[in-house]
Amino acid sequence: EAGVAQSPRYKIIEKRQSVAFWCNPISGHATLYWYQQILGQGPKLLIQFQNNGVVDDSQLPKDRFSAERLKGVDSTLKIQPAKLEDSAVYLCASTLGQGGANVLTFGAGSRLTVL
Amino acid sequence: GENVEQHPSTLSVQEGDSAVIKCTYSDSASNYFPWYKQELGKGPQLIIDIRSNVGEKKDQRIAVTLNKTAKHFSLHITETQPEDSAVYFCAAMDFNDMRFGAGTRLTVKP
Repeated sequence: EAGVAQSPRYKIIEKRQSVAFWCNPISGHATLYWYQQILGQGPKLLIQFQNNGVVDDSQLPKDRFSAERLKGVDSTLKIQPAKLEDSAVYLCASTLGQGGANVLTFGAGSRLTVL
Repeated sequence: GENVEQHPSTLSVQEGDSAVIKCTYSDSASNYFPWYKQELGKGPQLIIDIRSNVGEKKDQRIAVTLNKTAKHFSLHITETQPEDSAVYFCAAMDFNDMRFGAGTRLTVKP
């Protein structure tokens, strides 16, 4: 089966600019996650969707980050305005359902550099 | 919320030796413990997982053990090969919330 697709793979912007990342999960996977992975750290959950509804966005910095999954398939993550500390890899992952019975499959990630 | 600690942060072994990475977790409700391998420029890939009703699981050269009482779990890689060199992450998950350790950079020297 096709994996989790993400784009762009790399993005360099200046602080205060905006950026958007796109994710297409594995076909049929109802649950989609966005993680932020800062260099040298483990992934940190930003937001979790179940179909097109938000399950958990408690760690999303909502003053600058937003995410949507309008039709329950593709998702976009936006940062506006970007700060230097947003430099990281943004990973998208999906699972068939919800909860620990389902294996998380990650995409290759989108690497953001904020100058 | 869940807090996962992982040790060591770096590990260097000779090809053919064994490697052990240890993690502890804080939330007794966590019931699923996967291990991911991340190679440079790629997303994390699941290599093995264990659920809270199991104490040990093996898959060829890789094994994971879980001690629920002590809230720790470990990854064991035997007969290491250069292609095992990567960053390994443990994670702990309750129903919805998966938290990752900070990662272990494993280097296998030929």
